[in-house]
Amino acid sequence: AQSVAQPEDQVNVAEGNPLTVKCTYSVSGNPYLFWYVQYPNRGLQFLLKYITGDNLVKGSYGFEAEFNKSQTSFHLKKPSALVSDSALYFCAVRDNSGNTPLVFGKGTRLSVIA
Amino acid sequence: SAVISQKPSRDICQRGTSLTIQCQVDSQVTMMFWYRQQPGQSLTLIATANQGSEATYESGFVIDKFPISRPNLTFSTLTVSNMSPEDSSIYLCSVGSGIRTGELFFGEGSRLTVL
Repeated sequence: AQSVAQPEDQVNVAEGNPLTVKCTYSVSGNPYLFWYVQYPNRGLQFLLKYITGDNLVKGSYGFEAEFNKSQTSFHLKKPSALVSDSALYFCAVRDNSGNTPLVFGKGTRLSVIA
Repeated sequence: SAVISQKPSRDICQRGTSLTIQCQVDSQVTMMFWYRQQPGQSLTLIATANQGSEATYESGFVIDKFPISRPNLTFSTLTVSNMSPEDSSIYLCSVGSGIRTGELFFGEGSRLTVL
C-alpha cells in the first residue's frame, strides 16, 4: 500500500527567502506524485505533479518540486516566498498500477512572515 | 480543469440526524471520489462513486453510514447518516479525468459541525 510522510507540521519562512516543504513516499512500482495547496475555508488546489521525465517539475504560482528516486522524496520548493503563499500544503501519491485514488500526507502548514 | 460545486458549504447538525451533500461538476467525469478531512487531519478517502452501480468503500467506511448516489456522470451525493460529533469534518468531492496520470480536482468542501 502506498503512503506519504510530511515530517513537518509547520514551516516558517521570511518573505523573500527560499522555502522547502518536505515529502517522502512509499509505493510499489513507479510513483505518481502530486502537491496540493489548501487556503483557509477553501478546497484543495492542484499545484504540480511528477509522472515521468525530468526530476524537477514546475507548477503554479512559481512552485517547483524535485523528484528523488533514491531518497523516495518529492520536496516542494519556491525560490522566494510570498506572504500569500501561507497555506496548508499536501503531498499525495498514487501507484501506477491503475486508476487508484490519491493517498495524502497529513499536511504541512506554511507561514510566510513579512 | 473541472469546476466542482458542493452544497451545502457548511451546516450545523444535531446528533442523530442525517445530512446529504451534493456535488455537481460542470462536465462529464469518469471518476468521482468522496474524501473526509477531520479537524487538523489529512484527507481520508471514504469511497469511489461509481456511475450506475454501488459505490466502492474504503476500509472503515460502510454504506449504511455513508450512502452515496451517482445517477449520472456530472452529479453525486454523499449522505452522512445518524450523525455524531465525531462526524464533524469537512467532506470533499473530487473528480478525476480517468487517466492514471491525471490529477484530482476538488470542490471547496462541506464543513459539517455536529452538536
